[in-house]
Amino acid sequence: EAQVTQNPRYLITVTGKKLTVTCSQNMNHEYMSWYRQDPGLGLRQIYYSMNVEVTDKGDVPEGYKVSRKEKRNFPLILESPSPNQTSLYFCASSFNRGFPYEQYFGPGTRLTVT
Amino acid sequence: KNQVEQSPQSLIILEGKNCTLQCNYTVSPFSNLRWYKQDTGRGPVSLTIMTFSENTKSNGRYTATLDADTKQSSLHITASQLSDSASYICVVSGYNQGGKLIFGQGTELSVKP
Repeated sequence: EAQVTQNPRYLITVTGKKLTVTCSQNMNHEYMSWYRQDPGLGLRQIYYSMNVEVTDKGDVPEGYKVSRKEKRNFPLILESPSPNQTSLYFCASSFNRGFPYEQYFGPGTRLTVT
Repeated sequence: KNQVEQSPQSLIILEGKNCTLQCNYTVSPFSNLRWYKQDTGRGPVSLTIMTFSENTKSNGRYTATLDADTKQSSLHITASQLSDSASYICVVSGYNQGGKLIFGQGTELSVKP
């Protein structure tokens, strides 16, 4: 089944403890992206990747890191999480071949930083 | 600054009725506009994608229109169903801006029996 998977789905952690949220897709998509969603602010793009080894900042990249070493995976790294990073996170992917292809979203990761 | 504004913020309609959601954007130069449906707690699902050369696109009971001159789009839902209750999000991409997407804050639609 074609899908985007995220792990973990729920995470409660403490300030300053490094964490990684994994994202994987099985559709051979070039484009992958991370978003956070907060009440009243909607979805905001954190980082995106047009292809392997190519990453760019979105609107709210501060406090986050990403890497794209292989096509199927795009992990989101929080080196030193803070309470303002408590949010619902979505990963998404699509083809990237000069045309706006449909973007597929993962199920979301609910992160709480205390 | 590139922005996407949606209206209304929320809407309540009766089952079976039609409704129209609005999206205005300032993204320039414009590349494409997408409408997504997001059920509570779940990832958004794509409804339509339109480039600057397209005026209308349908997906079942959902019809999106685009006026690239006035930078406006609308999403019309026909014969609403209870399952249409969700947040509808307008997303705009600028030309030559790579993979950067600008999201509207969404319209929360509630369909009542």
